[in-house]
Amino acid sequence: EDQVTQSPEALRLQEGESSSLNCSYTVSGLRGLFWYRQDPGKGPEFLFTLYSAGEEKEKERLKATLTKKESFLHITAPKPEDSATYLCAVQADRDDKIIFGKGTRLHILP
Amino acid sequence: DVKVTQSSRYLVKRTGEKVFLECVQDMDHENMFWYRQDPGLGLRLIYFSYDVKMKEKGDIPEGYSVSREKKERFSLILESASTNQTSMYLCASSSLNRYNEQFFGPGTRLTVL
Repeated sequence: EDQVTQSPEALRLQEGESSSLNCSYTVSGLRGLFWYRQDPGKGPEFLFTLYSAGEEKEKERLKATLTKKESFLHITAPKPEDSATYLCAVQADRDDKIIFGKGTRLHILP
Repeated sequence: DVKVTQSSRYLVKRTGEKVFLECVQDMDHENMFWYRQDPGLGLRLIYFSYDVKMKEKGDIPEGYSVSREKKERFSLILESASTNQTSMYLCASSSLNRYNEQFFGPGTRLTVL
């Protein structure tokens, strides 16, 4: 069964304290892995798509990386406005469905 | 600025009522999706549509139906609402060749009493 597991469930960091969020997945043939950001009371906002192991994408203080079993979302010198829930999702080769993880709630303290 | 709008932010209905949730996108996207989001369960796909009048079941279609009569509009219908359908409902859209780059609406928080 295809599965996406995100860890930790919640993370509190001081402003400027770099860290990484993990997304591990099991899927029979990966078509793509995606990261979204969700602010409270809003719908998710697309961040990145990664297609193959070794690929990296960057946006401001965020960098996403992909291996054959997991993806990391690295956050460098975070600011309070980076506080949000970060969602990871995967799409298998065999169909169009996207499976979301439960998310990591990130809180950056000023 | 691209936009997905949902008809209501908050909705309270009674058990057994028929409920319509409407979603409109202004990006001329082919694909549209309905998800529900529950604490501890994450986002789960109810239905999606890749063209007008076309629909595909997602992971949890039971108790729901959908309608897509126009490209920009995708409706989710709860034929007879039940308390276990209390949830946050999120609509999304994406273009044909960027399926996974989904643009989400703000969500409708539905409470069924």
